[in-house]
Amino acid sequence: GAVVSQHPSRVICKSGTSVKIECRSLDFQATTMFWYRQFPKKSLMLMATSNEGSKATYEQGVEKDKFLINHASLTLSTLTVTSAHPEDSSFYICSARVAGDDEQFFGPGTRLTVL
Amino acid sequence: AQSVAQPEDQVNVAEGNPLTVKCTYSVSGNPYLFWYVQYPNRGLQFLLKYITGDNLVKGSYGFEAEFNKSQTSFHLKKPSALVSDSALYFCAVRGLPGGFKTIFGAGTRLFVKA
Repeated sequence: GAVVSQHPSRVICKSGTSVKIECRSLDFQATTMFWYRQFPKKSLMLMATSNEGSKATYEQGVEKDKFLINHASLTLSTLTVTSAHPEDSSFYICSARVAGDDEQFFGPGTRLTVL
Repeated sequence: AQSVAQPEDQVNVAEGNPLTVKCTYSVSGNPYLFWYVQYPNRGLQFLLKYITGDNLVKGSYGFEAEFNKSQTSFHLKKPSALVSDSALYFCAVRGLPGGFKTIFGAGTRLFVKA
């Protein structure tokens, strides 16, 4: 099946710094990638949808300037958490799909801890 | 607006017994319904989906789900639970063909005791 990777799997950073998380589709070209945030013992919250070569569409309540999403190629999307604060600590999961396919394939997630 | 409800935070079942994890949905139009499983500190793994056709859908690891339009439900089932089935299960819905925004339920934690 299709494989999506995320890097890093875990990151710890100091408050005020920026962190970049990569999401890659390893064996397929992803026309659309999604970024989710998962709080402890909670469901996934869709943060934004990104299509290759265009600006991401953010969900209501998600700060565009704080969570920068770039989808520069058909195999790579990045999420940058800018000026991170402890409340940004969470599990971030990306997923990817191919145009015309019903399924989306999920990455293994990135655990972000902001001290 | 689309929504999906998983009424149980946790389901406990003995190994070898049948299990059911409940899901109800609300969506305009014909629903696309999904079940995913998540193990600790891992991403989601696809189990099965209903798009159209037979109401009983068979998926990975022996799981199946039954689509019930009149009750707007899509319960996940397995005839004989394994300890290794213990995980967090998410039901998800997409409202329209071509519209890809997926809404996830709150999740149900399944504990299978040996």
